Amino acid sequence: QKEVEQNSGPLSVPEGAIASLNCTYSDRVSQSFFWYRQYSGKSPELIMSIYSNGDKEDGRFTAQLNKASQYVSLLIRDSQPSDSATYLCAVNEGSNYKLTFGKGTLLTVNP
Amino acid sequence: GAVVSQHPSRVICKSGTSVKIECRSLDFQATTMFWYRQFPKKSLMLMATSNEGSKATYEQGVEKDKFLINHASLTLSTLTVTSAHPEDSSFYICSARGVLAGDHSGEFFGPGTRLTVL
Repeated sequence: QKEVEQNSGPLSVPEGAIASLNCTYSDRVSQSFFWYRQYSGKSPELIMSIYSNGDKEDGRFTAQLNKASQYVSLLIRDSQPSDSATYLCAVNEGSNYKLTFGKGTLLTVNP
Repeated sequence: GAVVSQHPSRVICKSGTSVKIECRSLDFQATTMFWYRQFPKKSLMLMATSNEGSKATYEQGVEKDKFLINHASLTLSTLTVTSAHPEDSSFYICSARGVLAGDHSGEFFGPGTRLTVL
């Protein structure tokens, strides 16, 4: 059984702070890792993908992957109230496989 | 790029009727599309994987005769909820697999369809 674990939160941070979201996965053959953002009542939106160990930065977002530890994280710098949402971690074994989602972490950024 | 649309966005129907939901990839061809269901404050639940030109693969516990999926072209998949009942009321979301940088692909979600069965 493939599992993706996330702390459900809620994670609450003040505006301007760094929000750190964590995810662990059970399947060692996982190759592709994604972070989605889902606002209440809306569908998920892809914000980051990462495939290699290390950091990948895109604007205020940084994804970090450590395959040895089976751990992937998302850092959001200069957090804004508009970042308040549920963040879903997802992994798959490669391009031809379905995604396995975590249950999501609810992030609240307080003004 | 990688835009996925769904229609309708919201539907209310009477118990016993059938409802068809369309999912389209607007600017890319998607050989694989996925259908999810999400209940309020719950996580996404994959219902089925839809491959163009072949039968859908349903997840365990999902009734294939109740949730009919057709993927007739590389840009269109449809989900029909047959003989809908109030317990089928949910948020139905499709996604399409598209190419990201290099050889990698990712899933791009449609905006979802909120179904209410009275």
